[in-house]
Amino acid sequence: GNSVTQMEGPVTLSEEAFLTINCTYTATGYPSLFWYVQYPGEGLQLLLKATKADDKGSNKGFEATYRKETTSFHLEKGSVQVSDSAVYFCALISDFGNEKLTFGTGTRLTIIP
Amino acid sequence: GAGVSQSPRYKVAKRGQDVALRCDPISGHVSLFWYQQALGQGPEFLTYFQNEAQLDKSGLPSDRFFAERPEGSVSTLKIQRTQQEDSAVYLCASSLGSQVYNEQFFGPGTRLTVL
Repeated sequence: GNSVTQMEGPVTLSEEAFLTINCTYTATGYPSLFWYVQYPGEGLQLLLKATKADDKGSNKGFEATYRKETTSFHLEKGSVQVSDSAVYFCALISDFGNEKLTFGTGTRLTIIP
Repeated sequence: GAGVSQSPRYKVAKRGQDVALRCDPISGHVSLFWYQQALGQGPEFLTYFQNEAQLDKSGLPSDRFFAERPEGSVSTLKIQRTQQEDSAVYLCASSLGSQVYNEQFFGPGTRLTVL
């Protein structure tokens, strides 16, 4: 079956540090890959996505590249801010016939000033 | 409002009670999803509708769980004879739906606590 494994947290970084949150997946077919973010007190929001191999998704300074050879979709940001403190979820959809998302367990990120 | 809304936001039930959770999707969204998120975990798929048709209910954990979307808009997730292990946040999401991926927009969730 489909699964997503992501870096366990919590992760605590200082402001302006470099961020990497690892994500690997197992899926049949050719999945689309996503990062969702949940800010404190808010609902899940799509952060970025990539729908085919070698695609790079980017948004709000975050990036992730779809690496089929390593089945990975690691999230990176060059300089984090306090406002990036949130829980980050890696997720996939295995094919377009059924759009259900399979999520990882989430990584809680705290940025300290 | 423009987003997905869910009610109630919080629900406390005694073990054995029935509960009903409501989801109002974004107007015009064809696809509607229910997910269950246990504490400290990622959301897990429960069921999926395209308009009023329930196309996938493979994630429903038992026959105590039932979902409907009779007019292709508002959806209700019903849990009968609640158990403590049903305690979780129940998330609803909607999307435009089609044969290609469309972004799922999530509601704020209903936090269910079963005592």
